[in-house]
Amino acid sequence: QLQLQESGPGLVEPSETLSLTCSVSGASISSGSYYWAWIRQPPGKGLEWVGSIFHNGATYYHPSLKGRVTMSVDTSTNQFSLNLISVTVADTSVYYCVRPRDSFGDYQYWGQGKLVTVSS
Amino acid sequence: QSALTQPASVSGSPGRSITISCTGTSSDIGTHNLVSWYQQHPGEAPKLIIYEGTKRPSGVSYRFSGSKSGNTASLTISGLQAVDEADYHCCAYAGDFYVFGTVTKVTVL
Repeated sequence: QLQLQESGPGLVEPSETLSLTCSVSGASISSGSYYWAWIRQPPGKGLEWVGSIFHNGATYYHPSLKGRVTMSVDTSTNQFSLNLISVTVADTSVYYCVRPRDSFGDYQYWGQGKLVTVSS
Repeated sequence: QSALTQPASVSGSPGRSITISCTGTSSDIGTHNLVSWYQQHPGEAPKLIIYEGTKRPSGVSYRFSGSKSGNTASLTISGLQAVDEADYHCCAYAGDFYVFGTVTKVTVL
């Protein structure tokens, strides 16, 4: 059974870097043709797609975050990661790591979510 | 890059049907038939209930159905039940990235 688990600091200071890791169990990140992704949700608001990554390292990012976001994958540890630089309070969100039903989009598998608060 | 537009809230009585709209542009919903819908109960992660505009994943109730016309996608919940009270998010492919809607809270009266 596929499981995803987010981990990382729950508090980040403004202008610093937000770093999260998603640990995948029950399946290999390298198997299939899945674009693994990050989606975030500010408290009390809707979802926002952050970006996605293939096991070969190919990435797609939301245009509004380009220049600040970087995703990476480590197939040896079956994990993928998110880095977001120069954070502000607007980046405070629950961050979910997800896997699509098929190859891209249609997110059927979700982690439990990690609340990251940007505050000094 | 703007979020898709959804009504903030929709309500209905048990057993009735409700429809949630999701309005985008010719760059997302209007061009690509890749709209998905998610149900989210408080404190939980979202759950995929509709993909590719009209298809239901295995295990999702037949009471959920999706459609599209022009730049607007819709989710209909028929035979409304108390368990359907939740937040609903639409999502559309916009060419190399995805855009979500502004979220709709469904209340069962």
